[in-house]
Amino acid sequence: EPEVTQTPSHQVTQMGQEVILRCVPISNHLYFYWYRQILGQKVEFLVSFYNNEISEKSEIFDDQFSVERPDGSNFTLKIRSTKLEDSAMYFCASSERQGAYEQYFGPGTRLTVT
Amino acid sequence: AQSVTQLDSQVPVFEEAPVELRCNYSSSVSVYLFWYVQYPNQGLQLLLKYLSGSTLVKGINGFEAEFNKSQTSFHLRKPSVHISDTAEYFCAVSRNTGKLIFGQGTTLQVKP
Repeated sequence: EPEVTQTPSHQVTQMGQEVILRCVPISNHLYFYWYRQILGQKVEFLVSFYNNEISEKSEIFDDQFSVERPDGSNFTLKIRSTKLEDSAMYFCASSERQGAYEQYFGPGTRLTVT
Repeated sequence: AQSVTQLDSQVPVFEEAPVELRCNYSSSVSVYLFWYVQYPNQGLQLLLKYLSGSTLVKGINGFEAEFNKSQTSFHLRKPSVHISDTAEYFCAVSRNTGKLIFGQGTTLQVKP
């Protein structure tokens, strides 16, 4: 069964450093998402992406964040200058279409900023 | 704006007992409703979803949920749980944009 994969599973970085979290969505999916979950809190939407453009973004997704689909398979989330409060589990998801269609989630990348 | 409240952070239950995980949502417009499950060290997996039609929705692993519009609830139930059902369960809503808004999650702890 096709699945969403994410690398790395765990990333440790120092405050102020740039990080890139990588995702490989399911191959025939057209919509891509990033969510994050700070320890002990709810899963929060960050951004959705379709047709090489951001469709929607949350207030969390400020200028420090960017997303890219550099080729036909990868979908990346970049944090330019990490802060302690960026420490969280980051989930990538993909779906065939929007709305009622199931989003398939990856296993997540745990980002620890020290 | 939409919001989701899961009333119980933890639900302990004995194996083979029934369970209900509660979810209430707030929205001024029609939404789609979802339950996701997260097993340890894994991503979120869809259990079931309500889009329209019959208010009783059946999902995987013997779970079902009932949409109650008047009470704005979408509670998840299973008549007999197994040890393997131990996991984190998330209720979520979305509209046509696809953005999922999640509740805080409920940890289901099934004891032998």
